[in-house]
Amino acid sequence: KQEVTQIPAALSVPEGENLVLNCSFTDSAIYNLQWFRQDPGKGLTSLLLIQSSQREQTSGRLNASLDKSSGRSTLYIAASQPGDSATYLCAVRPGRDDKIIFGKGTRLHILP
Amino acid sequence: NAGVTQTPKFRVLKTGQSMTLLCAQDMNHEYMYWYRQDPGMGLRLIHYSVGEGTTAKGEVPDGYNVSRLKKQNFLLGLESAAPSQTSVYFCASSYSGDLSFDGYTFGSGTRLTVV
Repeated sequence: KQEVTQIPAALSVPEGENLVLNCSFTDSAIYNLQWFRQDPGKGLTSLLLIQSSQREQTSGRLNASLDKSSGRSTLYIAASQPGDSATYLCAVRPGRDDKIIFGKGTRLHILP
Repeated sequence: NAGVTQTPKFRVLKTGQSMTLLCAQDMNHEYMYWYRQDPGMGLRLIHYSVGEGTTAKGEVPDGYNVSRLKKQNFLLGLESAAPSQTSVYFCASSYSGDLSFDGYTFGSGTRLTVV
């Protein structure tokens, strides 16, 4: 059974730092992996989607990598800003017709 | 392009009352999902649909019913609300045929309180 883990559960860093959020999954046979952002009291916003054939995706200051063989994905945030404060969720889709499996998320706080 | 729209955004119910949450998507997505999100529990799948006229149970289906009469709409019903159903409900959709973006799109949520 696929399980998705995000460590740490919470992270505080000073503004301007580069940071990495981690996501690990137990079964390397995945269809795609999606990173979401959730602000308090709000819905989930899709940040990046990586198909199983891809190694990374980039959007602005965000870069997500995927290493299926090791069961890991990382979300790299460059030059962090207070507006980046949110909960970041990793979700794995095992197969094309499967439902995604969420990690519990990392709550990020950027200190001004 | 509105994406996924949920109505209402907030609702307070008394125990035993019924209500329907509406999810509408304008992306021609085949698949639609209802989740609930509770502190410390993460997102849990209630019911889902793989196409018009189809529904299936997810992880926590008890106390809820769903219908997908039209491709663009997915309704979540609570027949007799209980305090344990106090939660934030999210609808999502996806379209497995478009490999350029075969991910999930979420609505902004419905905050439901049952007193």
